[in-house]
Amino acid sequence: QVQLQESGPGLVKPSQTLSLTCSVSGASMSSGGFYWSWVRHLPGKGLEWIGHMFYGGSTDYNPSLESRVAISAGTSKNQFSLKLNSVTAADTALYFCARKRPNDAFDLWGQGTFVTVSS
Amino acid sequence: DIQLTQSPSSLSASIGDRVTITCRASQYIGNFLNWCQLKPGEAPRLLIYAASNLQSGVPSRFSGSGSGTDFTLTISSLQPEDFATYYCQQSFTTPFTFGPGTKVDV
Repeated sequence: QVQLQESGPGLVKPSQTLSLTCSVSGASMSSGGFYWSWVRHLPGKGLEWIGHMFYGGSTDYNPSLESRVAISAGTSKNQFSLKLNSVTAADTALYFCARKRPNDAFDLWGQGTFVTVSS
Repeated sequence: DIQLTQSPSSLSASIGDRVTITCRASQYIGNFLNWCQLKPGEAPRLLIYAASNLQSGVPSRFSGSGSGTDFTLTISSLQPEDFATYYCQQSFTTPFTFGPGTKVDV
């Protein structure tokens, strides 16, 4: 059974970089042609797609965040990471990693990790 | 960006009720519309993909319909575990976008 799990600091100071890791278990990220994604749930607002990576290949980002975001393979096999720089309080959110099928839905999600941006 | 609207934003229902949630896209998206369920503290769960296809493992009381710009999620007989927030999501084009959610409670 494939599972995803987010990890990283729960508190980040304004202007610094938010860094999260998603660990994938039960299957190899390099197979299946999936897009490995990050989505956030902003308090009192909705869900926002941040971006995704195709293992060993391309990335695609939400234009609203593109200047500040990077998604890449993690330092360990079967992990991928999110970096969001120059954060503000508006980046406080529940961050999910998810697997997306090509031309299709986000079919597997992690439980999410809440990140607060505050001094 | 493609905007998705949902109605209602919330609803109160009882066990056994038939529940219908609608989602409208700001432009044509074919059948690239998915539905997911969110509960606090849990991983979101995909229910319906490509407008009308039931994701593996999801109970058959969930169904989806629609194409183009108008879509519907139906729960035929509400169960206690179905009290949650439901979101539609389009995968027609990036940036992928979500509806604002419909909260189903007692």
